[in-house]
Formats: sequence, structure tokens, C-alpha cells
Amino acid sequence: EIVLTQSPGTLSLSPGERATLSCRASQTVSNKYLAWYQQKPGQAPRLLIYGASSRATGIPDRFSGSGSGTDFTLTISRLEPEDLAVYYCQQYGTLLYSFGRGTTLEIK
Amino acid sequence: QVQMQESGPGLVQPSETLSLTCTVSGGFTPNYHWGWLRQSPGKGLEWIAVMFNTGSTSYNPSLKSRVSISVDTAKKQFFLKMYSVTSADTAVYYCAGDPPDGYGHYDSWGQGTLVTVSS
Repeated sequence: EIVLTQSPGTLSLSPGERATLSCRASQTVSNKYLAWYQQKPGQAPRLLIYGASSRATGIPDRFSGSGSGTDFTLTISRLEPEDLAVYYCQQYGTLLYSFGRGTTLEIK
Repeated sequence: QVQMQESGPGLVQPSETLSLTCTVSGGFTPNYHWGWLRQSPGKGLEWIAVMFNTGSTSYNPSLKSRVSISVDTAKKQFFLKMYSVTSADTAVYYCAGDPPDGYGHYDSWGQGTLVTVSS
């Protein structure tokens, strides 16, 4: 079973800054099977990125994904107050899905 | 994307069976893979089970002995049963859809339903 480790646990940045969130896998993950989600307080998760770097429908281009193998990154450029949320990475492999524990993004 | 809504009892007695229904609208497509996930209070997301569009199923190894997923295509619904629940199963339960694009992700989510296990 692949374990995803996200860092940092909490990130505190100001509007307009750039956020870099990391997701490291315990084994190689196919780029095809790595996704990122945003969960705002009291809401269901929302798909941001799939296939490691493809933006989901309606996601602004401030959000971008990159990486391969065991190291993946979600970058949010030009932070806005509405980006306050917990961000999760997720992988699929050998018929199983798993999530990282999340990174909390605080906006100063 | 499709629209999804969970339903079921908000309170379940310890050792009893938790039963949830997910109703899909806005175009139920049998080609989606249907899943259940949960989130314990203040915790992260935990994947529970999936019904693939082939009819096969897969379960989280840590829950496999206690859960079952099924689908009723005609009613545009799919279901979760979790047996012998304990307080550790108290969580918000989400149903979600994985589109048939082969990328293994969930692009459609229900709003979630809180299930509390307590006597």
C-alpha cells in the first residue's frame, strides 16, 4: 500500500505570495494517477489537478501541478484570501486509492 | 461531472450496521466508478470502497472485512454497508464519482453526511 506524506503540515502566507505544497510517495506513482484536492471549511473536497499536472474543469491557472516518480508538487501562484483551505494529494494504484494527510494553507 | 447526494441515518448504535445511499442525478452514467470515502472529525480523508464500471469492487484493506458496496443502476443509486460499527466509525461520509478517463481520481462529490456511532 502506497503512503503519501504531505509537507508542510501548515503553511501561512500573505495574499499575492506563492505557495508550494509537497507530496511524497513511499513508492513510485504513475503521473497518470496523482491528483490534488482543495477542501474549504465545511465543504466537500474539490478536484484541482489530475494526472499530476492537468487542471480540472473551472480551476484557475493560478493552480499548477508538477512532479514525477515519488515527488509531486502543487503550486498556487498569487494567493487570494479564498485559497484558505486544506489541500490533499491522492494516488490510485493496484485497485486502491489513498490520500495524504493534507496541508493546511492559512492566509495572513 | 455528476451531482450526488448521500442519505441515511445520522445516528447508529455501536455493533450495528451503518447503511448509506448515494443518489446520482444530472446524468447517471454507468461508466463512472462509484466510491465511498469518509472524514473523521478534524481528520483527513479516508477512502473506503469502489465499485468499478466493470462490476468489480475494491476495498480499503483496513476496512475490507466490515464493508460492502453495491449499485442499483436502474434507480441511479449506490450503497454502502458497514458492519459492527464502533465510535471510531463516527465521521462525515462522502460518495464520489471517478470518471472513466482512466486517471483514478474523483471529480464529483456529494456534500457529505455526518454519521455518529453512539448509544
